[in-house]
Amino acid sequence: DAGVIQSPRHEVTEMGQEVTLRCKPISGHNSLFWYRQTMMRGLELLIYFNNNVPIDDSGMPEDRFSAKMPNASFSTLKIQPSEPRDSAVYFCASRNHGGRGNTGELFFGEGSRLTVL
Amino acid sequence: DAKTTQPPSMDCAEGRAANLPCNHSTISGNEYVYWYRQIHSQGPQYIIHGLKNNETNEMASLIITEDRKSSTLILPHATLRDTAVYYCIVRVLVPNNDMRFGAGTRLTVKP
Repeated sequence: DAGVIQSPRHEVTEMGQEVTLRCKPISGHNSLFWYRQTMMRGLELLIYFNNNVPIDDSGMPEDRFSAKMPNASFSTLKIQPSEPRDSAVYFCASRNHGGRGNTGELFFGEGSRLTVL
Repeated sequence: DAKTTQPPSMDCAEGRAANLPCNHSTISGNEYVYWYRQIHSQGPQYIIHGLKNNETNEMASLIITEDRKSSTLILPHATLRDTAVYYCIVRVLVPNNDMRFGAGTRLTVKP
């Protein structure tokens, strides 16, 4: 299994530009999570999906952030327009929610490090 | 996560057992205790979880007190590669699906 795949691994952009982060969850997993990590705020849950449906987006900082999951194998997190304070590592994670014998274990990708100048 | 309290940092000698405490005095009857760790800048990694009974796997042991208000993660023979931030989380298994991380404990294993 290839695990959770995120792209790009690193992105440097200028303030005001649109940023799109991508995530491919583990095949067969039906829940997907987006997290943001900074030194100041730690690891924050931004949004999560069950069966491609957004369940809780209360962690999304503001309207500049949006997330979509058009199908079970792909999700995007978009920031438009980007600001320097959005600089962080963004993690995607997935798991199989609700299955029999489910441990609730989350599998994380390697993260996308975003720098907004 | 306001439901758990962990010391911000701990040290451990290589080869010794590392005992990481976690307080969760407001835990509900259907909430599980989960432990994850994050090594350097990698994504967090699941370690173990439990409800009432003590649990053990190839990575660690989880000891939960009888009143379930606290727990301890034990790494029996810590190595330098166990240096990481360790997160203790309490949550229900279903139907809520979210997993929220607190500040964790930064464990440093020293030679």
